[in-house]
Amino acid sequence: DGGITQSPKYLFRKEGQNVTLSCEQNLNHDAMYWYRQDPGQGLRLIYYSQIVNDFQKGDIAEGYSVSREKKESFPLTVTSAQKNPTAFYLCASSRTTRGGTYNEQFFGPGTRLTVL
Amino acid sequence: GQNIDQPTEMTATEGAIVQINCTYQTSGFNGLFWYQQHAGEAPTFLSYNVLDGLEEKGRFSSFLSRSKGYSYLLLKELQMKDSASYLCAVPNSGNTPLVFGKGTRLSVIA
Repeated sequence: DGGITQSPKYLFRKEGQNVTLSCEQNLNHDAMYWYRQDPGQGLRLIYYSQIVNDFQKGDIAEGYSVSREKKESFPLTVTSAQKNPTAFYLCASSRTTRGGTYNEQFFGPGTRLTVL
Repeated sequence: GQNIDQPTEMTATEGAIVQINCTYQTSGFNGLFWYQQHAGEAPTFLSYNVLDGLEEKGRFSSFLSRSKGYSYLLLKELQMKDSASYLCAVPNSGNTPLVFGKGTRLSVIA
C-alpha cells in the first residue's frame, strides 16, 4: 500500500530540547511539505521541497529545520528557537506541478507535539 | 500573496443540504482545492476545480467562479459522519504549495 507515514503520533518534549519528526512516503512523489496546525487555525506552511537536496522556507520557517537527502524522506526538526512549538504537525507529498496544473497533496496522519 | 475567506462554523441537520462558501484573492489562478478534515486527523482530498462551473461527485459538489473569486462546496443528504472541517486551498503562485483557508467546521445534528 502506498502512502505517507509520520511517527510518532504523539510526542512530548521538555522545553529547550530539539525534536525531530519523521515523514516517509512511498508514493514516488517529488514534492514534500510540512504544515503546522493550531486549534481553530488552518494549515500554515513551514518548509517544502520539490526535489531531493533542495528545500524552501514557507511562511513560518523560523525555529524549524529540514533535510531532503532521500526522495522518500523529509524529516522536520523543531529547535529550541521555536517559541511556541506545541501544535499538530502534518506532512504531505504530491507529484510536481507543471505548466500550471496542480496535483493534490496527500497527507500523513500527523504528529501532535506537546512541549512541557 | 493569497487571501482566503471561509465561514468559521456552520450547523446543519442530518439529511439536509449545506453550502460552504470560499472567497479568494490571488495574483494568478491555478485552481482551487477542497479538503475534508476530521478532528485530529489528516485532511483528505475532495475536489479540484480549474474551470468555471459545477463538478459533482456523489453527495459532494464543488462550484467555481473565477471572475468572482468564489467557490462553494455543496454537501447533500448530510450524514453525521460529514461533521468535520472543510478547507479551501489555492496554489500560491507558479509551482508553489497550497495556501489554506482557516477551514469551516461543520456540525451535523440529528
